[in-house]
Amino acid sequence: DSGVTQTPKHLITATGQRVTLRCSPRSGDLSVYWYQQSLDQGLQFLIQYYNGEERAKGNILERFSAQQFPDLHSELNLSSLELGDSALYFCASSVLASSYNEQFFGPGTRLTVL
Amino acid sequence: AQSVAQPEDQVNVAEGNPLTVKCTYSVSGNPYLFWYVQYPNRGLQFLLKYITGDNLVKGSYGFEAEFNKSQTSFHLKKPSALVSDSALYFCAVRDWAGGTSYGKLTFGQGTILTVHP
Repeated sequence: DSGVTQTPKHLITATGQRVTLRCSPRSGDLSVYWYQQSLDQGLQFLIQYYNGEERAKGNILERFSAQQFPDLHSELNLSSLELGDSALYFCASSVLASSYNEQFFGPGTRLTVL
Repeated sequence: AQSVAQPEDQVNVAEGNPLTVKCTYSVSGNPYLFWYVQYPNRGLQFLLKYITGDNLVKGSYGFEAEFNKSQTSFHLKKPSALVSDSALYFCAVRDWAGGTSYGKLTFGQGTILTVHP
């Protein structure tokens, strides 16, 4: 158990809908990352927050947004969902935002868009 | 742009034999290299990392990795494989360019390791 929690574990929804994925980092970790894992794209970095502020951005679609709250938990919002958004979404956390800190991953949220 | 290649989609090895999972990387600055393992229906687990110093890095569960700057490689190794090592292995790199720290990990496509009894 990495200490990173994600809810829900599974999410099934329809095209055009909006969902929110939640992540609680390990105790003491200030940085949160979101990744998308799919069969065709592999593991892709989406976005990073550090102590409430956006720190780095990857291949995140404009339909997706995220935020980190004062208690350091983070939410990833996915809107106008398409079939291709079906994937496993991971949250990870690390103590700092530095490049040499390893990231600890949560169990993921499996999103299925029908 | 940084990139990671894992040239083998699958590696098969007999239990008790040594195993190697290959990884090569491309970065513009100093490479910070990581290995993660993913078991079915689980998140990624950190195995080991190379930041600086000794080229041979030891990690969890008896795994180690060798950093080779001239060959831009970071191969994962274990002297004696276990059936329980069967999983999906990811190599990842973080690029530190000058005074800027980038948060993102760039992952390879993954290598499925199967250890046969």
